[in-house]
Amino acid sequence: GQNIDQPTEMTATEGAIVQINCTYQTSGFNGLFWYQQHAGEAPTFLSYNVLDGLEEKGRFSSFLSRSKGYSYLLLKELQMKDSASYLCAGGVTYKYIFGTGTRLKVLA
Amino acid sequence: DTAVSQTPKYLVTQMGNDKSIKCEQNLGHDTMYWYKQDSKKFLKIMFSYNNKELIINETVPNRFSPKSPDKAHLNLHINSLELGDSAVYFCASSQDPAGASTDTQYFGPGTRLTVL
Repeated sequence: GQNIDQPTEMTATEGAIVQINCTYQTSGFNGLFWYQQHAGEAPTFLSYNVLDGLEEKGRFSSFLSRSKGYSYLLLKELQMKDSASYLCAGGVTYKYIFGTGTRLKVLA
Repeated sequence: DTAVSQTPKYLVTQMGNDKSIKCEQNLGHDTMYWYKQDSKKFLKIMFSYNNKELIINETVPNRFSPKSPDKAHLNLHINSLELGDSAVYFCASSQDPAGASTDTQYFGPGTRLTVL
């Protein structure tokens, strides 16, 4: 089957670093994507990985290990506006499969 | 310019009614999708269309009928609405179908459907 798991909720402090993990059990993922979704809004694209390793984009980085079925999103220098849900998604034939999402709360 | 737009943003209706949600994208993408996001915020694929053709129907009840008059539009019609249909429905698009490339998808603002 195709399954993607993420922690339900995380809390971190402004200025800190947080790592949001995503594990998956599926084959045939063409890429592993990360989206941010603020309450009441649409998901917006943050980052993706095709090959194993780390992709860095400013304060956000994403890592993928295909052999371990594991990815993480790293957020540095946390800001209050980073409080949102973070969705991990895999692209398979003709569809994207989303994880359950991680709700991140950033505290002052 | 809005890349992916949906109307209406909010829809409140009675059980048993029929309603439609419209979606349009001006990105020139070939593939469009409908997702349902439930109260637990789980985002689940419903349909995928590529060049106006249905390519994925993710075991959605046939009360839901998508229609793609052209590549830029994918509408969703729902018959005999039920309480369990209450959710946020997102339209999205990507250049190529998921799995064919690493293209990301772009989401519309969502339609919050409430069935009373």
